[in-house]
Amino acid sequence: QKEVEQNSGPLSVPEGAIASLNCTYSDRGSQSFFWYRQYSGKSPELIMSIYSNGDKEDGRFTAQLNKASQYVSLLIRDSQPSDSATYLCAVKPPGANSKLTFGKGITLSVRP
Amino acid sequence: DGGITQSPKYLFRKEGQNVTLSCEQNLNHDAMYWYRQDPGQGLRLIYYSQIVNDFQKGDIAEGYSVSREKKESFPLTVTSAQKNPTAFYLCASSIVAGPDTQYFGPGTRLTVL
Repeated sequence: QKEVEQNSGPLSVPEGAIASLNCTYSDRGSQSFFWYRQYSGKSPELIMSIYSNGDKEDGRFTAQLNKASQYVSLLIRDSQPSDSATYLCAVKPPGANSKLTFGKGITLSVRP
Repeated sequence: DGGITQSPKYLFRKEGQNVTLSCEQNLNHDAMYWYRQDPGQGLRLIYYSQIVNDFQKGDIAEGYSVSREKKESFPLTVTSAQKNPTAFYLCASSIVAGPDTQYFGPGTRLTVL
């Protein structure tokens, strides 16, 4: 069973702080990793993808991938109340016919 | 405007009824997917299709059916055999080759009365 695990949450941080969201996965050969943001009642929106070990930065967001330890994380710098949402981690296991596996998500609340 | 549309936004079903959820995309993506999301849960794959006139069962296909007669369209029918259909249904699409980056439609919220 391919699994993607996320911290149970919820996570609460003050405005301006760094929010750190973590995700671990079970299938060692996985190659593609995604972070989606989902506001309450809305559909998931892709915010970051990462494929190689290391960091990938996009504005206030940084995705970090460590394939040896099988984790991927998302850092949100200068957190804003508008960042309050559920964040879903998704992993594509190896194999041409494999499908994305989603974690259950972690809810982030940014306190003004 | 390129994107994925789903209709209706809200749908109410009586016990024993079949209902069909619409999903259309103009992104020229080959692959399309249907997911179900329950409160506090991740996304569970119902069906997916990588090419016209072909589709595969996902993890929770029982009580659902799909068709893929056109590249742009992938409707989902929730049949009366689905015992607990109340959920948020999400359609997604992606290109077949590459990392499988999926983009989602706005979703349909189905409630059984």
